[in-house]
Amino acid sequence: DTAVSQTPKYLVTQMGNDKSIKCEQNLGHDTMYWYKQDSKKFLKIMFSYNNKELIINETVPNRFSPKSPDKAHLNLHINSLELGDSAVYFCASSQAGGRTGELFFGEGSRLTVL
Amino acid sequence: GDSVTQMEGPVTLSEEAFLTINCTYTATGYPSLFWYVQYPGEGLQLLLKATKADDKGSNKGFEATYRKETTSFHLEKGSVQVSDSAVYFCALDMADKLIFGTGTRLQVFP
Repeated sequence: DTAVSQTPKYLVTQMGNDKSIKCEQNLGHDTMYWYKQDSKKFLKIMFSYNNKELIINETVPNRFSPKSPDKAHLNLHINSLELGDSAVYFCASSQAGGRTGELFFGEGSRLTVL
Repeated sequence: GDSVTQMEGPVTLSEEAFLTINCTYTATGYPSLFWYVQYPGEGLQLLLKATKADDKGSNKGFEATYRKETTSFHLEKGSVQVSDSAVYFCALDMADKLIFGTGTRLQVFP
């Protein structure tokens, strides 16, 4: 039973399209995150939600819009895709309790924009 | 601001060699420190952690000691295996997120 699951695992699309990535965690954690990993493996936080409330919104273009319908789900919608959006997007969760503690990651969603 | 600096890779070793991957950090206060590992095609998973100065985290033969005086958290393993080939990330715990280093790729050959 996968703890943090993301769909789809692979996504190939054209520039200008809109796409979504879904994430679900069954760990009962309060906090969920989206991280972006570029081709050089650099990992950068994009957003975090705590119990459906946006906590972190790093300097991400507003074409990226996270949505958390409940604390077990955090989806990422991307409008007007650009070549530079090609990356692996990781969802993660943690039981923060005021400190981040251990993060549990999904397997990643590889987005390729042509 | 708070940051993590890791040695650049790739690190290429023969099986049973000794491994060190350097990690230093800049932070206000006394953060927790982590090493995460990413195997090919997978997400990151926690390898070990240390929450205060002089703590030693260990797991699967890997060790790292939280050194406040040198602001370091170097990862070591006495005898690496081919199965240890992966990308290793040092991370710093801020109050609301983890800050990751750039990752160090380890390649172990038989």
